[in-house]
Amino acid sequence: DAGVTQSPTHLIKTRGQQVTLRCSPISGHKSVSWYQQVLGQGPQFIFQYYEKEERGRGNFPDRFSARQFPNYSSELNVNALLLGDSALYLCASSLVPSNYGYTFGSGTRLTVV
Amino acid sequence: GENVEQHPSTLSVQEGDSAVIKCTYSDSASNYFPWYKQELGKGPQLIIDIRSNVGEKKDQRIAVTLNKTAKHFSLHITETQPEDSAVYFCAAERVDSSYKLIFGSGTRLLVRP
Repeated sequence: DAGVTQSPTHLIKTRGQQVTLRCSPISGHKSVSWYQQVLGQGPQFIFQYYEKEERGRGNFPDRFSARQFPNYSSELNVNALLLGDSALYLCASSLVPSNYGYTFGSGTRLTVV
Repeated sequence: GENVEQHPSTLSVQEGDSAVIKCTYSDSASNYFPWYKQELGKGPQLIIDIRSNVGEKKDQRIAVTLNKTAKHFSLHITETQPEDSAVYFCAAERVDSSYKLIFGSGTRLLVRP
């Protein structure tokens, strides 16, 4: 059974550009959360989605947006990239939004130059 | 706001010795506390978790203890092996409109052969 799949694994963008990151949750999981992990720090919560609706948002600017599709996969979009957006972006899936346990993907390493 | 403090930031032990990592949290409403292991280039992997109605949980060489009154929890690894070397993160789940994990800053564990 496939785990959480994220694509791409790495990418390099220029300041001011826009980027879209993708996540496919574990089969049967209906909730997807996004986290940003800056080098040397713990992951920080960005969004949680369940049944295509945003359930929560962390302390991130409006340049960050996301959506969830009918098949429960999700996209994270970041506009007007800044150097400080360079980080590992992690997707976590769970059966439902509750404390049943979260499974993380391997992440997308975004470098903004 | 919610906060999770983790200590130590680095820990070096001899193979076969025990390792202990401690975390404190600020949100008394938190009731789920997972521990993750993150190896280089990978996403966090859940190794053990504990819920607030339990004081201790053990899984082979790994154990977690929780003191809700003092708002702290600890990870204990016995009989450490070189493959235990990684970065370990504690987290506390905060529930408001969503379920999100608040992570500690991580502990880099090095097990010397």
